[in-house]
Amino acid sequence: LAKTTQPISMDSYEGQEVNITCSHNNIATNDYITWYQQFPSQGPRFIIQGYKTKVTNEVASLFIPADRKSSTLSLPRVSLSDTAVYYCLVGPNTDKLIFGTGTRLQVFP
Amino acid sequence: DTGVSQNPRHKITKRGQNVTFRCDPISEHNRLYWYRQTLGQGPEFLTYFQNEAQLEKSRLLSDRFSAERPKGSFSTLEIQRTEQGDSAMYLCASSPGTAVWRDFGSGTQLSVL
Repeated sequence: LAKTTQPISMDSYEGQEVNITCSHNNIATNDYITWYQQFPSQGPRFIIQGYKTKVTNEVASLFIPADRKSSTLSLPRVSLSDTAVYYCLVGPNTDKLIFGTGTRLQVFP
Repeated sequence: DTGVSQNPRHKITKRGQNVTFRCDPISEHNRLYWYRQTLGQGPEFLTYFQNEAQLEKSRLLSDRFSAERPKGSFSTLEIQRTEQGDSAMYLCASSPGTAVWRDFGSGTQLSVL
């Protein structure tokens, strides 16, 4: 399974756009890129998944360059409730999920 | 459907005691996963089931750990002879077999004194 590298923490203010980048240099052909969000004392929650180019849903956008060696999760106009840990995962859909340490996003008023 | 349910939410036990956790997945989800999470770390995979079959076990799952999923519905995770190092949040997740996502429960927080 491909190893991922993402910033340990990020700070932002309410209303700003937040971009969290994840590096996955050893991504395999059948690997997907998936992002989860986790609040304290709760299980992770699926945000978005993509394979290449751009994916958008009601929560976030995921940008994946052609070489797929990195990806960027974009959260538009964050609010205080977006304060959480965000995990980037890379692997086949049918396989177990392997989490790293994630990025702790702190949103300030 | 109220999502993945885990019981108890919190468990405090003394070292050497046995504990059992229960996970009720979302109905019709044939895959069920167990993870363990310690403070400041991401969840670590322990094991997963497809229906009642246990398909994979992590090396983290020592002989003191056992998981079952009788009849392919709820699952239990038992830890025998608990150690202080077993203190963690134990998370359960479920998904339809071909889904890209996993639905996680809120976990069982285990404290071994």
